[in-house]
Amino acid sequence: EADIYQTPRYLVIGTGKKITLECSQTMGHDKMYWYQQDPGMELHLIHYSYGVNSTEKGDLSSESTVSRIRTEHFPLTLESARPSHTSQYLCASSEEVFGAGYGYTFGSGTRLTVV
Amino acid sequence: KQEVTQIPAALSVPEGENLVLNCSFTDSAIYNLQWFRQDPGKGLTSLLLIQSSQREQTSGRLNASLDKSSGRSTLYIAASQPGDSATYLCARPPGGSSNTGKLIFGQGTTLQVKP
Repeated sequence: EADIYQTPRYLVIGTGKKITLECSQTMGHDKMYWYQQDPGMELHLIHYSYGVNSTEKGDLSSESTVSRIRTEHFPLTLESARPSHTSQYLCASSEEVFGAGYGYTFGSGTRLTVV
Repeated sequence: KQEVTQIPAALSVPEGENLVLNCSFTDSAIYNLQWFRQDPGKGLTSLLLIQSSQREQTSGRLNASLDKSSGRSTLYIAASQPGDSATYLCARPPGGSSNTGKLIFGQGTTLQVKP
């Protein structure tokens, strides 16, 4: 079944710890995204990938980093977590719908709490 | 700066009522506009995509319209059901093209349909 998977769903971690949020998709999409969403607020793009070995930062400044070594895998890493990183992180991928733009598939998200 | 605004932030209606959710955007050079649904603790599900050349799109009880000249889109839900309770977000690509696949999101309208 074509889908996009994020793990873990929930994570509570202490300040200063290094964490990696996993995101994998089975659809072979080239474009992948990480969005950050605070409660009641809009999604903000923090990272974007055009394809393997191609990543760029999004509109919202983030201290996280990403990698894209394989098409299906787009992990996000925080080297030293801080309470300000507490948020929900959503991963997505997209495919072009000819003449119409892009169709998107979102993961269920990782809710991160840094204490 | 391009912005997407959704009003109201929250809406509560009795079951069976028809309702309209609003989305406004700056910059009428819009390529397309999408409506998404987000259930609590989950990712986004795409509902409807309206191309700039279209005025509306329909899927079941949902109808989305796009008026570029006024910078507005509406999502009409007919005969609302408790299962429609969720947060509804609208989003558009930045600028007048969709090449990157990036989206700018509104803050969403949280809908509660009471039995």
